[in-house]
Amino acid sequence: GQSLEQPSEVTAVEGAIVQINCTYQTSGFYGLSWYQQHDGGAPTFLSYNALDGLEETGRFSSFLSRSDSYGYLLLQELQMKDSASYFCAVTSGGYQKVTFGTGTKLQVIP
Amino acid sequence: NAGVTQTPKFRILKIGQSMTLQCTQDMNHNYMYWYRQDPGMGLKLIYYSVGAGITDKGEVPNGYNVSRSTTEDFPLRLELAAPSQTSVYFCASSYGSQINQPQHFGDGTRLSIL
Repeated sequence: GQSLEQPSEVTAVEGAIVQINCTYQTSGFYGLSWYQQHDGGAPTFLSYNALDGLEETGRFSSFLSRSDSYGYLLLQELQMKDSASYFCAVTSGGYQKVTFGTGTKLQVIP
Repeated sequence: NAGVTQTPKFRILKIGQSMTLQCTQDMNHNYMYWYRQDPGMGLKLIYYSVGAGITDKGEVPNGYNVSRSTTEDFPLRLELAAPSQTSVYFCASSYGSQINQPQHFGDGTRLSIL
């Protein structure tokens, strides 16, 4: 089967940097995605890593190590609007099915 | 620019009733998905489809059925509603089996079974 682990909650200060880790177990791995979800809203796509290394998109960066089955999302210059839940998701299998983790609730405090 | 449209947004059902959650996308995406999200939890895949006429089970398919007769539509059917099916249901779509193809989500259907 597939499993993903990420911390349930993280608190960080406005303007700081925070890293949200994700470890996974799966077969037929294609890539690791990150999604953001504000309370009451729909998930929105942030990033996708298929290869080892760091992908940067503005204030957000995502890292993948396929050999360690590990990735992280890095948020820089935190803003209050970054308070949300962040989900990692693995794409795997013949039909490239996507499986989501249980999410990390990020609280940004002044 | 509609994207993924889900109807209804809210619904209350009685135990044993049936209903269909509608999902339509106008992006010509091949892949479509149904998820459920319980309070404070992640998304669990119910069913998915890689194209018209092709569907497959996800993690939690029991109690649900789907069909995909067109590229645009992917309805989810609850035949005998049970309290355990109280949840928020999200439909999503993506372009297909290529790397870096994000899923686009609808706004969700909040379903309560009483």
